[in-house]
Amino acid sequence: QKEVEQNSGPLSVPEGAIASLNCTYSDRGSQSFFWYRQYSGKSPELIMSIYSNGDKEDGRFTAQLNKASQYVSLLIRDSQPSDSATYLCAVNPPGNNRKLIWGLGTSLAVNP
Amino acid sequence: GAVVSQHPSWVICKSGTSVKIECRSLDFQATTMFWYRQFPKQSLMLMATSNEGSKATYEQGVEKDKFLINHASLTLSTLTVTSAHPEDSSFYICSARELAGGLYEQYFGPGTRLTVT
Repeated sequence: QKEVEQNSGPLSVPEGAIASLNCTYSDRGSQSFFWYRQYSGKSPELIMSIYSNGDKEDGRFTAQLNKASQYVSLLIRDSQPSDSATYLCAVNPPGNNRKLIWGLGTSLAVNP
Repeated sequence: GAVVSQHPSWVICKSGTSVKIECRSLDFQATTMFWYRQFPKQSLMLMATSNEGSKATYEQGVEKDKFLINHASLTLSTLTVTSAHPEDSSFYICSARELAGGLYEQYFGPGTRLTVT
């Protein structure tokens, strides 16, 4: 079982719709969770971090964390073509080794 | 968010030469930086963890003598690709860890595209 799993996609949504991206992780003791956006040919950009169960909203983005079920999701409201990118989920496992564990990413296409 | 820079943004070198890539945290101090490599249409691959004032920790399969890492200050880490070969051509990205609200967040530089001819 992979430590951090994401559907590779592509996830295709129409402009204006809600895009829902999901991520599951295997280490129950994981402490912090991150969503990065990576445009083709560019480096990843941190868009959301979440540490506590529940929802965290930032503009059109909402991160949801459920530690009991070991999943974290990212919702993008009012999706725009500029949101088309690969979204990477990263998890900070327990312990002193602060190396992030990465999912392989979900490709999102927002169609005008 | 925190700002991380990389230099150069792209470089072309001849096979057998060495290339140095710099990674700087511009508005925060980073005791730990990370070096990644990414081939086209593939996922990020962590190469090594760079620790200020100590030796880097390399991931399995990464040659430490080929990819030299130096983290001499709290704002600068360098990656030197020694005796580069065409198969080393890739997108090299660094990231730096910043303490925010008691927990660490990791910010990426813009990346360096290396082409070895």
